[in-house]
Amino acid sequence: DAKTTQPNSMESNEEEPVHLPCNHSTISGTDYIHWYRQLPSQGPEYVIHGLTSNVNNRMASLAIAEDRKSSTLILHRATLRDAAVYYCIPYEGTSYGKLTFGQGTILTVHP
Amino acid sequence: GAVVSQHPSWVICKSGTSVKIECRSLDFQATTMFWYRQFPKQSLMLMATSNEGSKATYEQGVEKDKFLINHASLTLSTLTVTSAHPEDSSFYICSAQAMGTGLGNTIYFGEGSWLTVV
Repeated sequence: DAKTTQPNSMESNEEEPVHLPCNHSTISGTDYIHWYRQLPSQGPEYVIHGLTSNVNNRMASLAIAEDRKSSTLILHRATLRDAAVYYCIPYEGTSYGKLTFGQGTILTVHP
Repeated sequence: GAVVSQHPSWVICKSGTSVKIECRSLDFQATTMFWYRQFPKQSLMLMATSNEGSKATYEQGVEKDKFLINHASLTLSTLTVTSAHPEDSSFYICSAQAMGTGLGNTIYFGEGSWLTVV
């Protein structure tokens, strides 16, 4: 499994953009980059995923470096409900859903 | 709404007893489900892969005789913690991938089940 490096914690103010970085320099060419978040006392929640191109959905945007060794999850306007642990996970699509979690980034959003 | 549901959300049991946690896929069938354990302030650790109609595959260091997994149908996997001890107290989470459905092959997680052994 590819190893990931994320900041232990980050802080943001409400309604400001948040850029959550992830380093995955050992990612294989076929691994997708998945992002999940976990709110307190809940199971993880899917946020977004991508392979090479930048991706957007209603929750966030994902910017993937050209060499795929890093990516950045972008929350365009943070809300208090975005306070969670964010996990960046390289995922090989034939793993049938098996994910290996790192430590993630604890995001604190200030009102 | 939730597409993977766990039950119970929390349970307290006495040391030495067994407790069963259910994981159901609500909108899709899952031949494979996964069980994770999470201790406070730590990340999720994969315990085992639950395979419908066959034996579960356990991660290194996870006792298969203590954590019994049954995946008898395409929508239900159960985790039974046998002879529970206080050190088994944890947050248990299941997941499944919605393959070949309109859900876009996304991996969904249950709400988690808090187990406290007293």
